[in-house]
Amino acid sequence: DSGVTQTPKHLITATGQRVTLRCSPRSGDLSVYWYQQSLDQGLQFLIQYYNGEERAKGNILERFSAQQFPDLHSELNLSSLELGDSALYFCASNPGLAGTDTQYFGPGTRLTVL
Amino acid sequence: DAKTTQPNSMESNEEEPVHLPCNHSTISGTDYIHWYRQLPSQGPEYVIHGLTSNVNNRMASLAIAEDRKSSTLILHRATLRDAAVYYCILRYGNTPLVFGKGTRLSVIA
Repeated sequence: DSGVTQTPKHLITATGQRVTLRCSPRSGDLSVYWYQQSLDQGLQFLIQYYNGEERAKGNILERFSAQQFPDLHSELNLSSLELGDSALYFCASNPGLAGTDTQYFGPGTRLTVL
Repeated sequence: DAKTTQPNSMESNEEEPVHLPCNHSTISGTDYIHWYRQLPSQGPEYVIHGLTSNVNNRMASLAIAEDRKSSTLILHRATLRDAAVYYCILRYGNTPLVFGKGTRLSVIA
């Protein structure tokens, strides 16, 4: 158990819909990262937040957005869903202070778009 | 981003040592070498990391070439639970991880 929790575990929805994925980082971790894992693209970094502020952006679509709240949990919002958005979405956290901080990953949310 | 090259797959017998290679010929002086692994149906988990010297922890050892252009992750006694995809990642500072395709390790009982 990494200490990072993600809800829900599974999500099935239809094209065009909007969903919200939630991540609770390890206690005390200020940095949250979101990754997408699909069969054709592998594991890809989406976005990073540090203490409520966006820190880095990866291959995140404009239809996707994220935020980190004052209690440090984070939400990833996916809208106008397409079939190709079906994937595993992982959240990771670390203290965010040192350059060699390990990232701790949650169990992921499996999104299926029908 | 600096790139790494790993074999697509490797196989090992249970309780034997496993050497997982990684080439990173374009590594810069400030890049750390990180290894993560992903067990089936789980999120990635940290294994080990190093900069120049060889490193050991309870999970594995990391051997880094003198010129830092390659490294080897060593599992001293593979178990069935070590069957996973192993990712070698170069990382500068507290930046996001850039995953390649990794090496799929199969362990045979």
